[in-house]
Amino acid sequence: NAGVTQTPKFQVLKTGQSMTLQCAQDMNHEYMSWYRQDPGMGLRLIHYSVGAGITDQGEVPNGYNVSRSTTEDFPLRLLSAAPSQTSVYFCASSTTASPLHFGNGTRLTVT
Amino acid sequence: AQSVTQLDSHVSVSEGTPVLLRCNYSSSYSPSLFWYVQHPNKGLQLLLKYTSAATLVKGINGFEAEFKKSETSFHLTKPSAHMSDAAEYFCVVSAVPLGGNQFYFGTGTSLTVIP
Repeated sequence: NAGVTQTPKFQVLKTGQSMTLQCAQDMNHEYMSWYRQDPGMGLRLIHYSVGAGITDQGEVPNGYNVSRSTTEDFPLRLLSAAPSQTSVYFCASSTTASPLHFGNGTRLTVT
Repeated sequence: AQSVTQLDSHVSVSEGTPVLLRCNYSSSYSPSLFWYVQHPNKGLQLLLKYTSAATLVKGINGFEAEFKKSETSFHLTKPSAHMSDAAEYFCVVSAVPLGGNQFYFGTGTSLTVIP
């Protein structure tokens, strides 16, 4: 049972480059979300989705795009990376009857 | 509106002594509450959850938490700390019962266990 799978685990980008962080879950959860974790700030919600075809912004959405074409996948796109986006990114999923299930995270460095 | 305040950013205890990590919440609804643990360079693991059943909730690794509505608190405790408990702990509130779709995180408490 894989749960929530995030790829890659590590990534280094140059300022202005774009990339996609992948997230997949095999639990048929309708709710998926992306968080970033920065020292002293806990986890902050970037974007979330309550089902295929439905996405919405969280607390810190600027500079990121998401889409939800299937229940299983919820990729996060950085359009033009900035040093301020250096962070650890977590994808999570849940249903209305469960807590959040997290992936193992992606550590992103933007130089 | 929902929010979570973890009252201590750092807690240090000696091995074998009790652990207390404090969490206060604010919620417009009857909340679901969770504690997660994150070991260095790892993901987040669920320790325990409260979803309007018994107010004293037991979790993994000997941790437990008590939901006190009158105090809007959900403090995490453990009778005897182990070295392996050293980690970051997050208190989380959910906007609707049984998980729902909006989760709010505290800023975390870093637990150090002194041998």
